[in-house]
Amino acid sequence: GEDVEQSLFLSVREGDSSVINCTYTDSSSTYLYWYKQEPGAGLQLLTYIFSNMDMKQDQRLTVLLNKKDKHLSLRIADTQTGDSAIYFCAESPSWGKLQFGAGTQVVVTP
Amino acid sequence: SAVISQKPSRDICQRGTSLTIQCQVDSQVTMMFWYRQQPGQSLTLIATANQGSEATYESGFVIDKFPISRPNLTFSTLTVSNMSPEDSSIYLCSVGADNTEAFFGQGTRLTVV
Repeated sequence: GEDVEQSLFLSVREGDSSVINCTYTDSSSTYLYWYKQEPGAGLQLLTYIFSNMDMKQDQRLTVLLNKKDKHLSLRIADTQTGDSAIYFCAESPSWGKLQFGAGTQVVVTP
Repeated sequence: SAVISQKPSRDICQRGTSLTIQCQVDSQVTMMFWYRQQPGQSLTLIATANQGSEATYESGFVIDKFPISRPNLTFSTLTVSNMSPEDSSIYLCSVGADNTEAFFGQGTRLTVV
């Protein structure tokens, strides 16, 4: 099975908060990442968190890490239509090499 | 952050032919990687492009099918050889920076007919 697991789909109303969840398996991953992919585009690095941190906030984005449960989440506050995309969680078993989840399709409705 | 340029951005190729994809970075980087994203799928690491030595391939990928060059610290190429429709994918170059961030190019969308 997948080493990194994500739910496949999330629908959210504009202005609400989105929460995307991810579980990973490699406890040696030093960094965990969130990427955004819009249709026809490459991957945009949204944020990352060091494994010894519990939380990281960057403007509308909040990353929570529960290392004990190997659970990572990305919260997007005040979700906008431009946030509609596929969001990938990734762990890094060795630096630079990423193991990706299947991606969560986020659809923002008016 | 690193700026990564990939060429071509897309191509349609005949089966049995080969395509070489270029990846240019605007700064010297130690680590460069090539990924494949099959239609509707996530990304899978093909190989690590090592400067001055052979690439290191992941399980399921071989040098004869995906030869890689890394002539310097800012450039790499990936060739998809003897293509079949199953090779239709997006191929992405990635670089590591500052031991933390990993950046991606815009990808090369390959369709094999």
